Amino acid sequence: QQQVKQSPQSLIVQKGGISIINCAYENTAFDYFPWYQQFPGKGPALLIAIRPDVSEKKEGRFTISFNKSAKQFSLHIMDSQPGDSATYFCAASGGRGGAQKLVFGQGTRLTINP
Amino acid sequence: DTAVSQTPKYLVTQMGNDKSIKCEQNLGHDTMYWYKQDSKKFLKIMFSYNNKELIINETVPNRFSPKSPDKAHLNLHINSLELGDSAVYFCASSHWGSGSTDTQYFGPGTRLTVL
Repeated sequence: QQQVKQSPQSLIVQKGGISIINCAYENTAFDYFPWYQQFPGKGPALLIAIRPDVSEKKEGRFTISFNKSAKQFSLHIMDSQPGDSATYFCAASGGRGGAQKLVFGQGTRLTINP
Repeated sequence: DTAVSQTPKYLVTQMGNDKSIKCEQNLGHDTMYWYKQDSKKFLKIMFSYNNKELIINETVPNRFSPKSPDKAHLNLHINSLELGDSAVYFCASSHWGSGSTDTQYFGPGTRLTVL
């Protein structure tokens, strides 16, 4: 059962444009929604994360928009740069304390054309 | 300065062999994880250990056996390797106890190829 669905699978954006990646989740117990960025040959690294008590979080050019009622959240990359070309994963986890069981989306390969 | 390290980075072996992947973290975390990333880049948790105790075990074949000698190390031993085990295996670590919001730090991955 795929608990976090991510789209699109791949995305090509021109330099300076806005990249948008969408995710939807099923489990209402999820209470933490991080986005990870992965470059080829490297491990995923946390980019930005949000809790469901806020509808938006912005860090520099990266913004998460969160819609709790629709069980959807999205990553917006403003002024996209060639260095942003990577695979992006949304994820979700829930529960109090203990080990964090992240459930990942399928990933989006983002290419920023110069 | 390496936070989460894995060895080896590449592992090529024959079907039926037994192999191990080692993971070490110097972040002072007490919880460690193993993930499998398949050829389609899908990431799935396999195991999690807290202070040498198995916490998460996600329907992984019992040919896979994690071992945690101390809270800074989590090794993955795989018996009787199969073609379908070919993947990139990532180790990660985080703090325990703050709820679900702790950042997980991933290692560089070990690419396992079974021939």
